[in-house]
Amino acid sequence: DTEVTQTPKHLVMGMTNKKSLKCEQHMGHRAMYWYKQKAKKPPELMFVYSYEKLSINESVPSRFSPECPNSSLLNLHLHALQPEDSALYLCASSQVGSISPLHFGNGTRLTVT
Amino acid sequence: GNSVTQMEGPVTLSEEAFLTINCTYTATGYPSLFWYVQYPGEGLQLLLKATKADDKGSNKGFEATYRKETTSFHLEKGSVQVSDSAVYFCALSDIGFKTIFGAGTRLFVKA
Repeated sequence: DTEVTQTPKHLVMGMTNKKSLKCEQHMGHRAMYWYKQKAKKPPELMFVYSYEKLSINESVPSRFSPECPNSSLLNLHLHALQPEDSALYLCASSQVGSISPLHFGNGTRLTVT
Repeated sequence: GNSVTQMEGPVTLSEEAFLTINCTYTATGYPSLFWYVQYPGEGLQLLLKATKADDKGSNKGFEATYRKETTSFHLEKGSVQVSDSAVYFCALSDIGFKTIFGAGTRLFVKA
């Protein structure tokens, strides 16, 4: 069983919709990440939060808005997406202060129609 | 900058065959190296890791040795099973939050 839980597993949304992806971890990790993964490609980093503060934004379009309400939760708010944003969105967490492996959730499969 | 190159797939093997997936890296510092595995419909899972030169990571019969002289971290398994069918990613991580992933190698194991 994965220790990083993502909801929903699947999401279909129109280009005018607003939706949110949710991620939760209870491993005490203080770094949390959003990755985007297209088919047959490696994950691409979008955002990193460290101690609930945004640490890295990889020049992601503003139609993606991350939020870290507390040390266990991470959200990704979606608005006015494009069909090319359809992908698997992966949340991950890790320890801070040393080179630590990433712990991934099983992702949300997003389809934008 | 840092980068990871791994062999193109897909790799197709029969059950009980020997597996090697090649991975080489370039790095300016002293990174840690990882192999992650992604089964169909799932996220990535850490398979094994090595934090310094000559370290050997191992898990579930898989092994990889951190070779600084050849800048390599090849994944090996002596006898693959159908359940090993997945996509394998070699990855490098240094100080900071960025992990560099290789392109991924898809493995198919036939019964």
